[in-house]
Amino acid sequence: KQEVTQIPAALSVPEGENLVLNCSFTDSAIYNLQWFRQDPGKGLTSLLLIQSSQREQTSGRLNASLDKSSGRSTLYIAASQPGDSATYLCAAPETKGGSEKLVFGKGTKLTVNP
Amino acid sequence: DTEVTQTPKHLVMGMTNKKSLKCEQHMGHRAMYWYKQKAKKPPELMFVYSYEKLSINESVPSRFSPECPNSSLLNLHLHALQPEDSALYLCASSTRDRGLYTGELFFGEGSRLTVL
Repeated sequence: KQEVTQIPAALSVPEGENLVLNCSFTDSAIYNLQWFRQDPGKGLTSLLLIQSSQREQTSGRLNASLDKSSGRSTLYIAASQPGDSATYLCAAPETKGGSEKLVFGKGTKLTVNP
Repeated sequence: DTEVTQTPKHLVMGMTNKKSLKCEQHMGHRAMYWYKQKAKKPPELMFVYSYEKLSINESVPSRFSPECPNSSLLNLHLHALQPEDSALYLCASSTRDRGLYTGELFFGEGSRLTVL
């Protein structure tokens, strides 16, 4: 059974700092991994999807990496801004039987202070 | 257009009411999902429809009844709910090919349900 862990649970940084959010997963036979952002009371916004054949995926100031062998993914945010404040969730598929089920980590709550 | 639309945004209902949540997507996705999210917790999967057939039911109580009328629409019918069912209900969709590969998930803004 897939288990996803995110560290740290919360992070507070000053504006302009570069930061890294960590995600680990137990079943490395995944075909992709997805990072989401969630603002309070809102739905989830997809940030990046990394395929198992990729090692990195970039979108603007965001860069996500995937290391299947170690069961880890990181989300790098460059030059953080107050508007980046949100909860960031990573999700990996339950791989048994071609399941469509995504298993979510508990998230990292990011606060960027002006 | 990468949009999943959910209605209503907010719903208050009594324990004897019958109501429905609706979800629509026009991205041509063939997998649609209902998730439940309680405050400060990650989303929990409830149901998955793949090619309009129910493929996953995560042992959800029968007071929640999903329906997929066509490839663009997903409903969640609610009946005799309990106060502990109050939560944010999220709909999502993704590509899903016959080789059992699931692509990127796109979520709606959610329906905030309060059961009195």
